[in-house]
Amino acid sequence: ETGVTQTPRHLVMGMTNKKSLKCEQHLGHNAMYWYKQSAKKPLELMFVYSLEERVENNSVPSRFSPECPNSSHLFLHLHTLQPEDSALYLCASSQDKGDSPLHFGNGTRLTVT
Amino acid sequence: AQKVTQAQTEISVVEKEDVTLDCVYETRDTTYYLFWYKQPPSGELVFLIRRNSFDEQNEISGRYSWNFQKSTSSFNFTITASQVVDSAVYFCALSETNYGGSQGNLIFGKGTKLSVKP
Repeated sequence: ETGVTQTPRHLVMGMTNKKSLKCEQHLGHNAMYWYKQSAKKPLELMFVYSLEERVENNSVPSRFSPECPNSSHLFLHLHTLQPEDSALYLCASSQDKGDSPLHFGNGTRLTVT
Repeated sequence: AQKVTQAQTEISVVEKEDVTLDCVYETRDTTYYLFWYKQPPSGELVFLIRRNSFDEQNEISGRYSWNFQKSTSSFNFTITASQVVDSAVYFCALSETNYGGSQGNLIFGKGTKLSVKP
């Protein structure tokens, strides 16, 4: 496989569930990102990992917990979510230099019931 | 504050028409990067172009062209002879200089949904 792969593509979960989103990149990049895309809102950066260390956490609620075990894998652990957390969650990767473009996965469409 | 404005929420054109997507940005940095991404219905954002703040040359790639005007803080995107496959949401984005060694906070506009009818 090439590029950035996200699983699952779709996820429906109740507010009391615990689930995880997975992202894997095969591009040899050393930075990975989680973005949230809600209807009628700009894409919001949630977390940035560079060389497996978290360098950005944009005031994201603690019910979202990222994990980056190595430079190829990124997880987003979810627990006790709210209905307003329903959105498309996009993972991306890049080389960690300022002009390097992001390569995105297809996203996970999350619905919280 | 940094901001990217895409004033056109939705545009609908007929195939073979030319269409321009507007992007206006705000930043206090003198060094920054501008990007355009395409998001087809499948969901993934596809990188189209990157421009740094010191390079105001316009760029053409096939049917796509970009007009960077620093004086008006605009980075507009034109599709010539549009095709149905161009239908997607297009995002303009701004990135400032490196943050913590990574690309930093890529600030996206709200996107413009382009529909190209046959």
